[in-house]
Amino acid sequence: GENVEQHPSTLSVQEGDSAVIKCTYSDSASNYFPWYKQELGKRPQLIIDIRSNVGEKKDQRIAVTLNKTAKHFSLHITETQPEDSAVYFCAASRAAGGTSYGKLTFGQGTILTVHP
Amino acid sequence: EPEVTQTPSHQVTQMGQEVILRCVPISNHLYFYWYRQILGQKVEFLVSFYNNEISEKSEIFDDQFSVERPDGSNFTLKIRSTKLEDSAMYFCAQARGGWSYEQYFGPGTRLTVT
Repeated sequence: GENVEQHPSTLSVQEGDSAVIKCTYSDSASNYFPWYKQELGKRPQLIIDIRSNVGEKKDQRIAVTLNKTAKHFSLHITETQPEDSAVYFCAASRAAGGTSYGKLTFGQGTILTVHP
Repeated sequence: EPEVTQTPSHQVTQMGQEVILRCVPISNHLYFYWYRQILGQKVEFLVSFYNNEISEKSEIFDDQFSVERPDGSNFTLKIRSTKLEDSAMYFCAQARGGWSYEQYFGPGTRLTVT
């Protein structure tokens, strides 16, 4: 089955700096890679995703890149703010549809702390 | 973002008791999932449910777990005989399917087994 590795486990940056979180996956059939942000005691919240037919996607201060050949994808947050502090999870799946039912396999999570 | 709702928000039960966790489906969302997150750990897949039957399950989802849509509406996860190690947050998630890949999570039910 799919295995997702995420690094680093903790990341501490100063406000205004950039943050990068990296994930690798094992199943070459995975075609959907979402990123979730989880604040303490809250639900995982989808912040950005990328499909396997795209190499990069950007939404304001966050971007995700995908290298299918190397089976890795990364989350980039620019101009970090204290409210970006949270746990970030990457995930991989074969998207729901046809013979695939879309289960997400998550990485171990990265605790991001943005210092004012 | 579509709003997924779950009840109860917190459930405390004694070891060996049965619990039922509920999730209210979003219209037009065809795929349902249950995930578990033990405190401080990653989110783990339990089971997916499509077309009123289980489509995929993990090794965690053993005989003490079951899922159903008893009234064709709410989507439930039942744990027949709870163990201490079942203490976790249980999240329901839903996806529309087709060209829409996004999975949206409910607020979770915190299950505490004593």
